[in-house]
Amino acid sequence: GESVGLHLPTLSVQEGDNSIINCAYSNSASDYFIWYKQESGKGPQFIIDIRSNMDKRQGQRVTVLLNKTVKHLSLQIAATQPGDSAVYFCADTRGSQGNLIFGKGTKLSVKP
Amino acid sequence: DAGITQSPRHKVTETGTPVTLRCHQTENHRYMYWYRQDPGHGLRLIHYSYGVKDTDKGEVSDGYSVSRSKTEDFLLTLESATSSQTSVYFCAISPRGRDSTDTQYFGPGTRLTVL
Repeated sequence: GESVGLHLPTLSVQEGDNSIINCAYSNSASDYFIWYKQESGKGPQFIIDIRSNMDKRQGQRVTVLLNKTVKHLSLQIAATQPGDSAVYFCADTRGSQGNLIFGKGTKLSVKP
Repeated sequence: DAGITQSPRHKVTETGTPVTLRCHQTENHRYMYWYRQDPGHGLRLIHYSYGVKDTDKGEVSDGYSVSRSKTEDFLLTLESATSSQTSVYFCAISPRGRDSTDTQYFGPGTRLTVL
């Protein structure tokens, strides 16, 4: 079946360091991926997306890398700040009903 | 939260009572979704709507019903609440839905506790 998962459930980094959050997917037909950030008590917030015809996409302080050969994507956050502390989800829009298939999430903690 | 509101934000109810959650959007998006979020399961689709009066079931639809009489409102009803329906419920919207490159935007969530 379809599944999107994350390699690490928790990640702790020092303020100012770069963070890398990884995600694996199993559906080879997946052609669009989204990263969401979810702060405590809030809904998932869109961060960045990438289509399967791209290997890399950059936003403000964030970069998503896609490796279709090994079905892996990663979210890189540059100069991580305390405000980046949250749970990060990758999602695949290939759900059979148009829904998103979410990974379990990685909790990012930023130490001052 | 992309012009999406959910009400109530918190609710405590008793087993066996009906509960209705409301999602309201100001984006005029065609597609609306209800997800539930539980530890260990992530976000799972309950029901979705692809237009006024057009709805369909998701992967965890048992015990839930939905209605959409206007573009901007999508209601989720727990017909007879059970403790297993204690969860955080999120509404999401998207303009094109099943288009594989369509982003979904989420509301702030409703925390429901069934005693």
